[in-house]
Amino acid sequence: GQSLEQPSEVTAVEGAIVQINCTYQTSGFYGLSWYQQHDGGAPTFLSYNGLDGLEETGRFSSFLIRSDSYGYLLLQELQMKDSASYFCAVRDRNYQLIWGAGTKLIIKP
Amino acid sequence: DSGVTQTPKHLITATGQRVTLRCSPRSGDLSVYWYQQSLDQGLQFLIQYYNGEERAKGNILERFSAQQFPDLHSELNLSSLELGDSALYFCASSPARGRETQYFGPGTRLLVL
Repeated sequence: GQSLEQPSEVTAVEGAIVQINCTYQTSGFYGLSWYQQHDGGAPTFLSYNGLDGLEETGRFSSFLIRSDSYGYLLLQELQMKDSASYFCAVRDRNYQLIWGAGTKLIIKP
Repeated sequence: DSGVTQTPKHLITATGQRVTLRCSPRSGDLSVYWYQQSLDQGLQFLIQYYNGEERAKGNILERFSAQQFPDLHSELNLSSLELGDSALYFCASSPARGRETQYFGPGTRLLVL
């Protein structure tokens, strides 16, 4: 079957750096995306990796190693507003988007 | 504001009933996606339409159906509703079928009693 695995919960301190990992097992691979979702809100797009390497968008970066079926999202200079759930998602060969179960990021002052 | 609109925002109905959820994509976006999110769960991909045609199908129940109209708005029909269908239903749109950036609407919260 197809699956994406990410930690269910991560805790970090305001101002710190946190990494959220995602490993995937899918039939085909057309890129890894990351989305943020605040409680009760809609997911919003953060980052996309189609090729190996690093993508940077402000305080957020995402990294992909296709040979390891692995990627991660890096959040720097954490702010309280970054408390949210973070989802990784992979599009498989049938163009179906497979989503991870989400990582709840808890930020402590 | 993502530019994607969904109606209604909230819906309360009874088991066995049928409801229709509506989505209007961002101006110019050709792809529409439907997702189901149960409480504290991840997103379950249901179905994707591209320019009026079904493009990809996920774990959509036979009791559920969708369509995309010529003006590109989409409707998700849920019938013979069960308690377990209570969830947030999101619609998302993207410019083309292969683009990874999806813009999500605010969701419809469905409660089946």
